[in-house]
Amino acid sequence: DTEVTQTPKHLVMGMTNKKSLKCEQHMGHRAMYWYKQKAKKPPELMFVYSYEKLSINESVPSRFSPECPNSSLLNLHLHALQPEDSALYLCASSQELAGPISTDTQYFGPGTRLTVL
Amino acid sequence: GNSVTQMEGPVTLSEEAFLTINCTYTATGYPSLFWYVQYPGEGLQLLLKATKADDKGSNKGFEATYRKETTSFHLEKGSVQVSDSAVYFCALSVNTNAGKSTFGDGTTLTVKP
Repeated sequence: DTEVTQTPKHLVMGMTNKKSLKCEQHMGHRAMYWYKQKAKKPPELMFVYSYEKLSINESVPSRFSPECPNSSLLNLHLHALQPEDSALYLCASSQELAGPISTDTQYFGPGTRLTVL
Repeated sequence: GNSVTQMEGPVTLSEEAFLTINCTYTATGYPSLFWYVQYPGEGLQLLLKATKADDKGSNKGFEATYRKETTSFHLEKGSVQVSDSAVYFCALSVNTNAGKSTFGDGTTLTVKP
């Protein structure tokens, strides 16, 4: 099973709303990722968790707040977003981060299509 | 730094035509190489990968060979189908930059019946 699930599939929110995106995997992976993807562009890395600890934050604005409650779950809390934050938000997981003898093959979820009004 | 350059699209082919999408890379260290496919309205799916020089990744009739001498990982398929219409991303990861994959800009493929 190489499935990563994401909910909701679509989300429309106003600039004053607070919402959360959820990602789940049951592959025993210990690294999880959030990406943002604009139309016709490659994914842009936002955050990486390794063993439930934040490992990488790509200078993402504080209106995006990640959380990793356990090794299977990854959340992205959204608050006071701007219309330019509208995008497809992708979650991914890998067995571990790349290391001397391992490669970080990433498996992606279907994404949450976010629209900020 | 690391970079991936993909052949510019869009690419339009007739069904059963031969497909090549070029991908070249620059990397510090020894990268692993990947091809991902993104169908309309969906997330990325891993299509194939290769982790060392001369490895050939293959899946669903697609294949790509890791060529260290030419720093390339071109995607090929002998006979495309309408259902192969999608965006294809070439990507690399290096263990010295763990967690930070580098993606190409993507190539849009349209296959017409």
